[in-house]
Amino acid sequence: EPEVTQTPSHQVTQMGQEVILRCVPISNHLYFYWYRQILGQKVEFLVSFYNNEISEKSEIFDDQFSVERPDGSNFTLKIRSTKLEDSAMYFCASSPERGLAKNIQYFGAGTRLSVL
Amino acid sequence: TQLLEQSPQFLSIQEGENLTVYCNSSSVFSSLQWYRQEPGEGPVLLVTVVTGGEVKKLKRLTFQFGDARKDSSLHITAAQPGDTGLYLCAGYTGGGNKLTFGTGTQLKVEL
Repeated sequence: EPEVTQTPSHQVTQMGQEVILRCVPISNHLYFYWYRQILGQKVEFLVSFYNNEISEKSEIFDDQFSVERPDGSNFTLKIRSTKLEDSAMYFCASSPERGLAKNIQYFGAGTRLSVL
Repeated sequence: TQLLEQSPQFLSIQEGENLTVYCNSSSVFSSLQWYRQEPGEGPVLLVTVVTGGEVKKLKRLTFQFGDARKDSSLHITAAQPGDTGLYLCAGYTGGGNKLTFGTGTQLKVEL
């Protein structure tokens, strides 16, 4: 069964460093998303991406964050200068189309980012 | 800001018992989805409900969407240890494709 894959599973970085989290969405999906889950808190939307541009972003997704689809298979989230509070699980998701019940988002297993 | 409140936050029961988890909001959702999340994994979709009053069954799990599309419930019959996990409701409002997640219910089913 097709699945969303994320790498690495765990990323440890020093505060102020740049990190890139990688995702391979399901191959025929058109919409891509990043969410994060700080330990003990709920899953929060960061950004959605369609047709090579951001379609929606939350207030969390500030200038320190960027997303890119560098080729036909990868979808990346970059954090330019990490802060301690960026420590969280980051989930990538993809969906085949939008529109109510059709917009089922499939989630990857996540990347645990630890900022020291 | 659309909020989804889940109750209870934690639930520890014995195998064979029944339970209900609630997901409530003051906002109307165009659809609601229920996910289950295991430790260190991403959310896995269980069901999507779209129509107000809709009831869906998945083996021992029964999902209901409120008539006004502001709330939903998940009922598990004869819970088993394999049902242990974090249950999340999540919904779409309006025409967007941003999922708003609930606060989660951590279920533990003991032998």
